Amino acid sequence: NAGVMQNPRHLVRRRGQEARLRCSPMKGHSHVYWYRQLPEEGLKFMVYLQKENIIDESGMPKERFSAEFPKEGPSILRIQQVVRGDSAAYFCASSPDTNSGNTIYFGEGSWLTVV
Amino acid sequence: RKEVEQDPGPFNVPEGATVAFNCTYSNSASQSFFWYRQDCRKEPKLLMSVYSSGNEDGRFTAQLNRASQYISLLIRDSKLSDSATYLCVSGTYKYIFGTGTRLKVLA
Repeated sequence: NAGVMQNPRHLVRRRGQEARLRCSPMKGHSHVYWYRQLPEEGLKFMVYLQKENIIDESGMPKERFSAEFPKEGPSILRIQQVVRGDSAAYFCASSPDTNSGNTIYFGEGSWLTVV
Repeated sequence: RKEVEQDPGPFNVPEGATVAFNCTYSNSASQSFFWYRQDCRKEPKLLMSVYSSGNEDGRFTAQLNRASQYISLLIRDSKLSDSATYLCVSGTYKYIFGTGTRLKVLA
């Protein structure tokens, strides 16, 4: 069952280091979403991408965060110079296309801890 | 004002009870609506889509009221395994999640 695959599942970084989170969408899905969930909080939309295009990045912090979804390979969420406040669960989701009503399916998440 | 608002709960109910969750959304242009379930430290999983005509899946019934921008979820005959956080979602291509309503079903 090739669901949405995220790795690493758990990542520990020291302050100032970089974190790279990877997401492979479900087979046949060409749209990827990234969400962040802080401890005891809800899911916050970060970015929506199609292959080689960022469609909506209105939820991305202005600095240190970037996302891509290249023609080949997984989508990458990159966090530069991590700070303790970046510690969170980062969930990736995918959908087949943008038609209204399409469900998004989540990966198991990547849990980032900044020490 | 949050785009999607839910009562955080917790709702503590006995097994077999009927429980209802409500949610409001602010973006009248939203076209898609869902309920997801999230267990502690797990990913959200789709529970059901929500339509104006209402839809039912076993013990779960969801309803959308576009005029009031209101979404509901009804769970009948609650089971211990229903204990989780229930997330209300609205959007078009960009899906906004509520902060969730916690349900605990007690034996």
